[in-house]
Amino acid sequence: AQSVTQLDSQVPVFEEAPVELRCNYSSSVSVYLFWYVQYPNQGLQLLLKYLSGSTLVKGINGFEAEFNKSQTSFHLRKPSVHISDTAEYFCAVKPREMGYSTLTFGKGTMLLVSP
Amino acid sequence: KAGVTQTPRYLIKTRGQQVTLSCSPISGHRSVSWYQQTPGQGLQFLFEYFSETQRNKGNFPGRFSGRQFSNSRSEMNVSTLELGDSALYLCASTIGGPGTEAFFGQGTRLTVV
Repeated sequence: AQSVTQLDSQVPVFEEAPVELRCNYSSSVSVYLFWYVQYPNQGLQLLLKYLSGSTLVKGINGFEAEFNKSQTSFHLRKPSVHISDTAEYFCAVKPREMGYSTLTFGKGTMLLVSP
Repeated sequence: KAGVTQTPRYLIKTRGQQVTLSCSPISGHRSVSWYQQTPGQGLQFLFEYFSETQRNKGNFPGRFSGRQFSNSRSEMNVSTLELGDSALYLCASTIGGPGTEAFFGQGTRLTVV
């Protein structure tokens, strides 16, 4: 079984400041890792994913994440946030070897960007 | 390329009734998954269908069921609705291979009164 922990339920930050959203996971099998963003009354949109290779992954809207296998973490970062980045962010994992597409999500982190 | 389409967007039902939600995946996608999103429990997996077969199921009571048609469209049904079933129900489609990303619809907001 897999579990995902997002350590902060809410992260307030000022516009143009850097931000890091933390994600740790637990799994008995190897997993793929994802970050999704959800704007109010919308579905989820993929920001980035880690499948293999370089542990630093770049995504859309200037976001990047680093996979750390020893710490089982996949933290999301952005060097300079905009008001439009205000949204809820979800970290998710999916087993590599299983035949199905089930995602296990964290509880989400609400990013609040103020001017 | 059209995205994942969920209908209806909003529903209000009374306790004890049943409801059917629909999901049309991206063309060519054979896997459809359903998730329930609530403020208290977050995003929880309901079930996944691939080529009309359920290949994984989450920990939900039997009142929750689903199916997939030959054109990959999927429906989920909830019978004997309870107040706690009020949630945003999200559908996601993937091509189905390992590591492929899931594309989500905008969801159906179900309110049970």
